Amino acid sequence: ETGVTQSPTHLIKTRGQQVTLRCSSQSGHNTVSWYQQALGQGPQFIFQYYREEENGRGNFPPRFSGLQFPNYSSELNVNALELDDSALYLCASSLDRGRYNEQFFGPGTRLTVL
Amino acid sequence: AQSVTQLGSHVSVSEGALVLLRCNYSSSVPPYLFWYVQYPNQGLQLLLKYTSAATLVKGINGFEAEFKKSETSFHLTKPSAHMSDAAEYFCAVGTLNNNDMRFGAGTRLTVKP
Repeated sequence: ETGVTQSPTHLIKTRGQQVTLRCSSQSGHNTVSWYQQALGQGPQFIFQYYREEENGRGNFPPRFSGLQFPNYSSELNVNALELDDSALYLCASSLDRGRYNEQFFGPGTRLTVL
Repeated sequence: AQSVTQLGSHVSVSEGALVLLRCNYSSSVPPYLFWYVQYPNQGLQLLLKYTSAATLVKGINGFEAEFKKSETSFHLTKPSAHMSDAAEYFCAVGTLNNNDMRFGAGTRLTVKP
């Protein structure tokens, strides 16, 4: 059974650029959540996708957007990058939505904005 | 709204000593609580979870946590620390509406030989 994978591992962008991060969920999981983890802090919820529809969103501006595909893999897109967007971006998949479902995390993508 | 607070950003113990990492929660509904561990340059790994069954929850790697409603706490313990336990530990609560999790700021555990 393949776990959650994310690509790329590291990424360096400049302010104002756009970036796309990718996540492959664990086999059989239909729900994907994205988190931003700034240095020295806990992860913060960006949004969740369930069966290709957004199923909840945290306190992030609209320039953070996402997609979930029929195979339940997902993308996180960030437009007009700002320096504060530098962080580790974590993707987590779960068997189903709902707070009792365990979320399995990928290794993350470290984004640096210069 | 649900939230958690981790007391102590850094805990240092000697190898073989008791590990105690503190977490207090705030929730208007019965909480679903989790402890995760993060090793350097890696994602989060679930240690254990409380979902309203037994109040004493046993997890992986010898860790356990006790849910105390009267104290709104969910502290993580391990009787004897090992060098490999050195990592960042996060307490989290499952939210009711967004299906996301709210994480604490984390506690960095250092184990001295």
